[in-house]
Amino acid sequence: DAGITQSPRYKITETGRQVTLMCHQTWSHSYMFWYRQDLGHGLRLIYYSAAADITDKGEVPDGYVVSRSKTENFPLTLESATRSQTSVYFCASSQHVEQYFGPGTRLTVT
Amino acid sequence: GQQLNQSPQSMFIQEGEDVSMNCTSSSIFNTWLWYKQDPGEGPVLLIALYKAGELTSNGRLTAQFGITRKDSFLNISASIPSDVGIYFCAGQASGNTPLVFGKGTRLSVIA
Repeated sequence: DAGITQSPRYKITETGRQVTLMCHQTWSHSYMFWYRQDLGHGLRLIYYSAAADITDKGEVPDGYVVSRSKTENFPLTLESATRSQTSVYFCASSQHVEQYFGPGTRLTVT
Repeated sequence: GQQLNQSPQSMFIQEGEDVSMNCTSSSIFNTWLWYKQDPGEGPVLLIALYKAGELTSNGRLTAQFGITRKDSFLNISASIPSDVGIYFCAGQASGNTPLVFGKGTRLSVIA
């Protein structure tokens, strides 16, 4: 039972590059979420999805793009990475209110 | 937007001591959740609360859904070194709204 996985776990990229973070869940949960975690800010919601092909903005969506063509995958793309997007990114999924988190991706933008 | 005020921000305790932390909001929530995050990992769900006044335990952890529906409390009894981590509260205001997270309480246990 793989649960929810994220890849890569660590990524270093340069300012201006496009980078995609992957999230995959094996539970067939309807909802999926992307958060970023920064010191002093806790977990902030970037985007979420209620089902395939349905996505909504969260608290901090600027600079990010998401898609959800399949229930099990929810990739997050930074189209032109900036240093302010250096953070730890967590994906989560849920069928009801309880969310289950992946292990995170630590992204550094130089 | 909605905010959750979680306190304390951090605490240092001796092994064996009991711990209390809380989360408050200016608005009503229908569900409260408590998560724990170990260093380098994602948050893990500890306890979920669904009704005002509900008291739920998970081993040495006990959480309560406040009567006013604007707060929740987490207690850890007889702390041990593996309790170290960041504890987050989260609330949901209504059925289809995303969770709102507190900023976390960082717990350190001194052996």
